[in-house]
Amino acid sequence: DAGVIQSPRHEVTEMGQEVTLRCKPISGHDYLFWYRQTMMRGLELLIYFNNNVPIDDSGMPEDRFSAKMPNASFSTLKIQPSEPRDSAVYFCASHLAGSRHEQYFGPGTRLTVT
Amino acid sequence: RKEVEQDPGPFNVPEGATVAFNCTYSNSASQSFFWYRQDCRKEPKLLMSVYSSGNEDGRFTAQLNRASQYISLLIRDSKLSDSATYLCVVADYGQNFVFGPGTRLSVLP
Repeated sequence: DAGVIQSPRHEVTEMGQEVTLRCKPISGHDYLFWYRQTMMRGLELLIYFNNNVPIDDSGMPEDRFSAKMPNASFSTLKIQPSEPRDSAVYFCASHLAGSRHEQYFGPGTRLTVT
Repeated sequence: RKEVEQDPGPFNVPEGATVAFNCTYSNSASQSFFWYRQDCRKEPKLLMSVYSSGNEDGRFTAQLNRASQYISLLIRDSKLSDSATYLCVVADYGQNFVFGPGTRLSVLP
């Protein structure tokens, strides 16, 4: 298996632009998580899905952030409009219920908003 | 108070040393506990789960004290390749995983 795949790996954009981050979880995993990591705040859970349904989005910072999971093999995290304080590394992770709870992380998307 | 707190780093130790990391959590309903490792500019990866009776995996030993809401990780005979950030992770019955801020370890030759 290729593991969790994220794209793009790096994104540089100007303030006000829309940013879309993509994730393909490990095949067969029924949970998908989106995290954000910064030096100041560490690793924060933004939202997670179970069987493509959003379960907890309490970590989503504000209405500018939205996430979707149209099918079991694809999810997006969108920021519109982007702001400099959104600059961070965004990780996607997937997990199989009933396993020992290990989350498998993708390589992350490093986002810079100027 | 943060949900999960860890020793501030960095820890700089010579090869072969024994080093211990501590972690405390605030949610008494927490059910699952883990140590993850994150290399510089890489994604976190599971190092080991932490069981109530404590568990060992080679040079790594994890302990859990539910009464004190405290988790520890001991690394014996440290190697250069152990240099990384170690993240304490706590989860409740659901899938709410809370990551600690991490402790950075540098093993020096």
